[in-house]
Parts: sequence; structure tokens; C-alpha cells
Amino acid sequence: DTGVSQNPRHKITKRGQNVTFRCDPISEHNRLYWYRQTLGQGPEFLTYFQNEAQLEKSRLLSDRFSAERPKGSFSTLEIQRTEQGDSAMYLCASSLAGLEDTEAFFGQGTRLTVV
Amino acid sequence: ELKVEQNPLFLSMQEGKNYTIYCNYSTTSDRLYWYRQDPGKSLESLFVLLSNGAVKQEGRLMASLDTKARLSTLHITAAVHDLSATYFCAVGVYSGGGADGLTFGKGTHLIIQP
Repeated sequence: DTGVSQNPRHKITKRGQNVTFRCDPISEHNRLYWYRQTLGQGPEFLTYFQNEAQLEKSRLLSDRFSAERPKGSFSTLEIQRTEQGDSAMYLCASSLAGLEDTEAFFGQGTRLTVV
Repeated sequence: ELKVEQNPLFLSMQEGKNYTIYCNYSTTSDRLYWYRQDPGKSLESLFVLLSNGAVKQEGRLMASLDTKARLSTLHITAAVHDLSATYFCAVGVYSGGGADGLTFGKGTHLIIQP
């Protein structure tokens, strides 16, 4: 296991289309996070899962966004009816819950461009 | 709402010099992280700071945490070109389950010139 894997790395879509991204976390990690990062800004938290349960969602996560982690392993993030403002880097991270000094390891991200 | 402010946001410095990046946060937190990001790449974890007075060092980088002042610093000693990157601090609250969703600063874009 070489780390958190995200696919695709790049996605260009037309406004109004739906897109889905996939994240495969580090295998023994039970927590998985989604963040969004726009140019020149820090990552913004979107949501996280512990195993298959979605425990927290940011108010940034509009109704057009949905995330799943069906078997507590990989996760998908779907954006419906994309808008130009959705253009960003979508980062996935994973960690092992239960350790006080745990840290989150980030994937390479999926860069979304909505035209 | 937890807010995290970094300064400076942009820093250009010469090799061999020392400098400090500051990270202030607005509410009580018990975990602070420093990450590095190279252009077009993901975030690399540098330090995790958990308690007041915590200090960690790795090579030319040293991070410290003052929870009473809600301040963390990242000190660069005798900078080298390879340290050019964007540095983020991130703050979270430990809820017993691990790393909850973090709040990041805007980042400090560091350029080290020969």
C-alpha cells in the first residue's frame, strides 16, 4: 500500500453534468476525509467517514454533493449539476482513529474544471 | 467558528537566512498540524503538536505550540532552496476518535532564493 489513491487525477466537465471521484485510503485506516482546495487557499473540510458511517458534513457540502463509503473501504464523492464554482482540487485523506497523535495522510487530489 | 490565520502569506528569503511563520487560531484546540505542499502536489505532513509548549524539530524546521496564546510557529533555520513550498497550519479538536475535520490556514507561500 503506497498511500491514499485518488481517481481520476484530472476531470474536465461541462456545466450541468454530474461527476464522480473515487478515493482509496490507506488500507488499515478507518477514517476518510474529503476536502476542497481552490487556488491560493487552504483545503476546506467537506465531510468525513468512520468506517462506513458519515459522521460530519460541512455546510459547504451543498445538496448537489453526496459522498459514500459503502463498505468502509473506498469512498466516492459525486457532484450533481456541476457549476463553474465547483472548479477546485478535491483532496481525500485517511487516518487511523483512536490515536491521539494521529495524522491524516492526503492523496494527490482530483482537479476538477467545469467549463 | 474556528478561524486559522497565518502570516505572512507570502515570503521570499535568501538561502542561509532564518525566518518564522506564525499561525494564530481563534478557539481552544488541542491539535495543531503543519503541512507542506509543493506546486501541483498533495499535502505532506510535517508536524503534529498536541500540548502546550510542544516543540518538534525535523532538519531545518522547528514547530512549537502555545495553546494559551493560541499560537504556533514554524521556524526555518539556514534556509535552503529545497524548502521552497507552501506551508499550511491546520487546527482540530480531538474528540477521542482521531483526526476530525481540520480547519486550515490560507498557507504561507515560501520562496527561497540562492
